[in-house]
Amino acid sequence: DADVTQTPRNRITKTGKRIMLECSQTKGHDRMYWYRQDPGLGLRLIYYSFDVKDINKGEISDGYSVSRQAQAKFSLSLESAIPNQTALYFCATSVRGDTGELFFGEGSRLTVL
Amino acid sequence: RKEVEQDPGPFNVPEGATVAFNCTYSNSASQSFFWYRQDCRKEPKLLMSVYSSGNEDGRFTAQLNRASQYISLLIRDSKLSDSATYLCVVRPATGGFKTIFGAGTRLFVKA
Repeated sequence: DADVTQTPRNRITKTGKRIMLECSQTKGHDRMYWYRQDPGLGLRLIYYSFDVKDINKGEISDGYSVSRQAQAKFSLSLESAIPNQTALYFCATSVRGDTGELFFGEGSRLTVL
Repeated sequence: RKEVEQDPGPFNVPEGATVAFNCTYSNSASQSFFWYRQDCRKEPKLLMSVYSSGNEDGRFTAQLNRASQYISLLIRDSKLSDSATYLCVVRPATGGFKTIFGAGTRLFVKA
């Protein structure tokens, strides 16, 4: 089983719908992140959390919200999905000591029609 | 100008070839550098860190040139399994978290 698990892996939805992407990890890492990946662009940070009580906006947080329900769980919500949120979304974790290595989940492909 | 720039490729090389990728970064204060590998429709995974003195891991060699603000990845004796997208990753000075990903360079190794 993957150490960082994302659900759903694929989702097609319509404009205006609320969507939640969930991430859980068994690595015991404190830090968790949500990224999106679009063709021709590097991964871009949406939100990150260094512990359960610490939530921070990344470079492209507009239209998204997150919840850190526990050390192991970090969910991403799109309150009212729009077509330009169609992307591949990755959850990632890292250790507190900040070696720089990120451990990614397998990704959630979201299509907004 | 993008903070981290890579040639998107694709690089098409035969098995056994040597191939090199470069990546340039704009922030001279950047402190940490990495290469990640991403297979098609999969998650990125760390390939190697890049140190000032350069480092080698088997067929892979990474180099950092701070003066010219670029990092490189050299793959020797390419294998079919090396076919992937290689992401250049740069982190700022300590105290800052922001990790910047390049858009990636695609490599196809042909039999």
